[in-house]
Amino acid sequence: EADIYQTPRYLVIGTGKKITLECSQTMGHDKMYWYQQDPGMELHLIHYSYGVNSTEKGDLSSESTVSRIRTEHFPLTLESARPSHTSQYLCASRDNGPQHFGDGTRLSIL
Amino acid sequence: GENVEQHPSTLSVQEGDSAVIKCTYSDSASNYFPWYKQELGKRPQLIIDIRSNVGEKKDQRIAVTLNKTAKHFSLHITETQPEDSAVYFCAGLQGAQKLVFGQGTRLTINP
Repeated sequence: EADIYQTPRYLVIGTGKKITLECSQTMGHDKMYWYQQDPGMELHLIHYSYGVNSTEKGDLSSESTVSRIRTEHFPLTLESARPSHTSQYLCASRDNGPQHFGDGTRLSIL
Repeated sequence: GENVEQHPSTLSVQEGDSAVIKCTYSDSASNYFPWYKQELGKRPQLIIDIRSNVGEKKDQRIAVTLNKTAKHFSLHITETQPEDSAVYFCAGLQGAQKLVFGQGTRLTINP
């Protein structure tokens, strides 16, 4: 089924660890996005990509990085996790139509 | 760039009554305005959208109106039901590439 998939759904990890959040979509969308969202609060855009080898920083300053080597895959990496990174991370994709979101990764840094 | 303001931040209505959420945008070139519903612990889901070449769109109990001159658009939910309780986000499309979201409205339907 065409969808957007995020793994893991939940992650609890210690300070200083390197973390990669996975996002894959099977809809062939060129544009992909990462948002940070505390539960029920605003969606903050942290990274986006308009296609392979294209990445841009979003409106919210983030210590994370992204890569876009394949159309379907847009992973987000935190080199050294801190408690301030505790949040939910939502991945999304679109072409020229509606934007679709993944189920998110709920990240807790101890 | 585009800026989208959404009001109110919280809204409580009696079951069966109507709910209205309003958004304003700043970029007159924006031409696509979706609305998302996010239930607790779930992903945001598109519920309705409108393009700038129409003034109103309706889907059962949900409607969206757009006023391009005033640069505002609204979500209308009629005959509200408990399952309508959620956080709702409006958005405007900036430069055909990036959605700019409003701050969200937490809607509570009281039985």
